[in-house]
Amino acid sequence: DVKVTQSSRYLVKRTGEKVFLECVQDMDHENMFWYRQDPGLGLRLIYFSYDVKMKEKGDIPEGYSVSREKKERFSLILESASTNQTSMYLCASSRNPEAFFGQGTRLTVV
Amino acid sequence: QKEVEQNSGPLSVPEGAIASLNCTYSDRVSQSFFWYRQYSGKSPELIMSIYSNGDKEDGRFTAQLNKASQYVSLLIRDSQPSDSATYLCAVTGGSTLGRLYFGRGTQLTVWP
Repeated sequence: DVKVTQSSRYLVKRTGEKVFLECVQDMDHENMFWYRQDPGLGLRLIYFSYDVKMKEKGDIPEGYSVSREKKERFSLILESASTNQTSMYLCASSRNPEAFFGQGTRLTVV
Repeated sequence: QKEVEQNSGPLSVPEGAIASLNCTYSDRVSQSFFWYRQYSGKSPELIMSIYSNGDKEDGRFTAQLNKASQYVSLLIRDSQPSDSATYLCAVTGGSTLGRLYFGRGTQLTVWP
């Protein structure tokens, strides 16, 4: 079975903090993705990566950055957390085209 | 922007009935199509993939694809209360590496 693991299930951070969300997959997948999901807005793509050290902006990259130093790990960074970044964050990996999700991180910024 | 539209719902069916979920997409070059199930508070789970026109059956689930009409559907036969969830339709773009485009989902409730 494909396993995609996100480092935290729930996270509470203060406004202005730098926040790291980690995602690890164990299936040697090339592609990895970060989404956020908000009620009524569906899944929105923040960033994705199709290879180590490669990244592409998604639809809502502002306020975020990513890092992929190793194939199995894809990190999402909130440079300075704001309350409008309170959301469910979902990591996914795929070997084109099927994608599998991690369990999600519910981030609250206070 | 590639569009994926789903019947907005919510959809409510009695136990044992057939639930029909619909999805249309805007990009004619899309090649791969998926249905995900998402329980409240959980992450999406891949339940069906379909790549060619026609029907694909897996247990109580049937995915139907019509590329000419840019339409994909999911039928759930003998619906169970455990099928109550939000169903997300996803399609690949023609040229973007591995990226999926998601609809906003249809919430299904199966009542006993």
